[in-house]
Amino acid sequence: QTVVTQEPSLTVSPGGTVTLTCASSTGAVTSGYYPNWFQRKPGQAPRVLIYSTNNKHSWTPARFSGSLLGGKAALTLSGVQPEDEAEYYCLLYYGDTWVFGGGTKLTVL
Amino acid sequence: QVQLLQSGPGLVEPSQTLSVTCAISGDTISSNIAAWNWIRQSPSRGLEWLGRTYYRSGWYSDYAVSVKSRITINPDTSRNQFSLQLNSVTPEDTAVYYCVRDRDWGFDYWGQGTLVTVSS
Repeated sequence: QTVVTQEPSLTVSPGGTVTLTCASSTGAVTSGYYPNWFQRKPGQAPRVLIYSTNNKHSWTPARFSGSLLGGKAALTLSGVQPEDEAEYYCLLYYGDTWVFGGGTKLTVL
Repeated sequence: QVQLLQSGPGLVEPSQTLSVTCAISGDTISSNIAAWNWIRQSPSRGLEWLGRTYYRSGWYSDYAVSVKSRITINPDTSRNQFSLQLNSVTPEDTAVYYCVRDRDWGFDYWGQGTLVTVSS
């Protein structure tokens, strides 16, 4: 069974920068895994901020960016805002299925 | 503007079949560059991708290993919609179910979500 691993929780100060990562039990994450990053807030439907490693949707704030870092997919928030406090999930593609990570709870404090 | 509108019962008895339908507007289910997915969200499991259906000169469906023996996702081209059926449900299947489009390897448009509770 494929496992996708994220940091369970991270804390960042307002205005700071934080990087969330996403690792695969099968080895290094490459662009062929087409990483998607989802933001989920309580009571709201999730929304995708980054797709296919580093592409942004029209609704994605400029402070969010995606990349590959040290064999993992990464989501970086630069100039964090209080409203960025949420859970963040990555999603990786394995040829015919997609698998979510367990999510990172980001606290802005 | 793509819109996905879900419908289906909110309560299912254990061992029965969960069914949710997703009606598409602003796109066609037979698109050669989109896939139509089901994702669920629960406090215990977080987000879980369940499966998808898509058309590439023929119809295909892929399913998550965790539900592969119990799930069917079917397209309905006459109504431009697709459906999720999950058999033999247990309380562990209680979740909010979402239909979601993915196009160019990016998930974008979501249905409004359907809370399905498995309980007698």
